[in-house]
Parts: sequence; structure tokens; C-alpha cells
Amino acid sequence: DQQVKQNSPSLSVQEGRISILNCDYTNSMFDYFLWYKKYPAEGPTFLISISSIKDKNEDGRFTVFLNKSAKHLSLHIVPSQPGDSAVYFCAASGGGTSYGKLTFGQGTILTVHP
Amino acid sequence: DGGITQSPKYLFRKEGQNVTLSCEQNLNHDAMYWYRQDPGQGLRLIYYSQIVNDFQKGDIAEGYSVSREKKESFPLTVTSAQKNPTAFYLCASSTTGWGLAKNIQYFGAGTRLSVL
Repeated sequence: DQQVKQNSPSLSVQEGRISILNCDYTNSMFDYFLWYKKYPAEGPTFLISISSIKDKNEDGRFTVFLNKSAKHLSLHIVPSQPGDSAVYFCAASGGGTSYGKLTFGQGTILTVHP
Repeated sequence: DGGITQSPKYLFRKEGQNVTLSCEQNLNHDAMYWYRQDPGQGLRLIYYSQIVNDFQKGDIAEGYSVSREKKESFPLTVTSAQKNPTAFYLCASSTTGWGLAKNIQYFGAGTRLSVL
């Protein structure tokens, strides 16, 4: 049973436009949601997070939105840059599991064209 | 520079052989984790440790073993019982406690394991 799902394996966007990456979850006990960015042959790096008590968190060009009723979160990147091309993973924590244990989605490959 | 070091970068395993992947961190984190990534899939948790001399199985622990004798080190052994070991292995660490900080995991660069 996959508790965190990223249904779009890939996304292609023109430089300067908005990139929207989506993530759905099933466990209503999750209390934190995180986005990680991963380049090939490297480990993921933390990008931005949101607590379940909020519906929006913004950090520069990156904004994460959380819709608890729909069990859906999204990452908006505005404006998109070629250096943003990477795999993006959403992850969730809590849900009755041990602290610090994250459940990851499958990832979405973002390609930003110049 | 603080961070997590995984070695080797590439590793080849012969059938019936056990291999050990190294993970060292100098971030002074209490918690450490091992993940496996397969193509088109997310990261799946193999083992995690919240404190020295203690560790718990993750979602896919069968065929793997770990030890946590030092705070800085969390080696993973892929045993011959793991029938499909070819994957990208990632080690991570985090603080423990309350709030968001405990959930932010810092990752190493990974080890790619292949079967000969």
C-alpha cells in the first residue's frame, strides 16, 4: 500500500514559466510534508517543508500548498530555471510511526527547457 | 565541512557474497537511516537507528543487516539472502526530538550496487 504517491513521472516546462509538481497521500496522521530535490548520482537534498497545521509555505521561488481535505500537496516553482531540472520527491512523516521516519513518493522528473 | 560520506561509490557483488556499504557522518546527528532506490520508485527504508547500539527494521529489511557501534557510523551489509540487491543505496541522518527538524534528513551521495 503506497501511502505517498506522485502520479506524474515527468514534467516538462519552459524556462520562466511555472512548474507545478503534485503529490497525494492516504494517511491522515502524517504531520509534516517535505520536498526533496535529487540530481543524478547524488543524494536528495531538502528543499522545503510544510506542517499539517498550515496550508502554504513559501521560500523564494518555491511554494508548497497543502490541501488536507483532499490529502494533496503541490510544489510550485516560479519562475522555473534550467538548474531546477532534477527529480523531485515528496515525503511525509508521522502517521503513528517513529519520529524521523519518512515515507517517499516515487518522484517526478522535472525538465526545464531554456 | 559537515556531511555524510558513503563509500564506495560503485560496488559489485558476486553471487553468494556478503558486501558492506559504509556510511559516516560528522553532523553529530543521533539518527541514521538506510534507503534503497530502484528505477522509477521512491526511496524505501531498509533500517534506521535512533541511537547508538539500537536499530529497527524498516519496510524492506529482509536480506540486510546493520550495526551502530558508534554515533558517526552506520554500515549496511547486503547478505547473500538478498536475492535482488542491484539498486542505488542511500544513507541519511537527522537530529531527534520534536518538530520539523527531526524530519529533515541529510543524505550521502549514494552507493550503486550491481551483481556480477
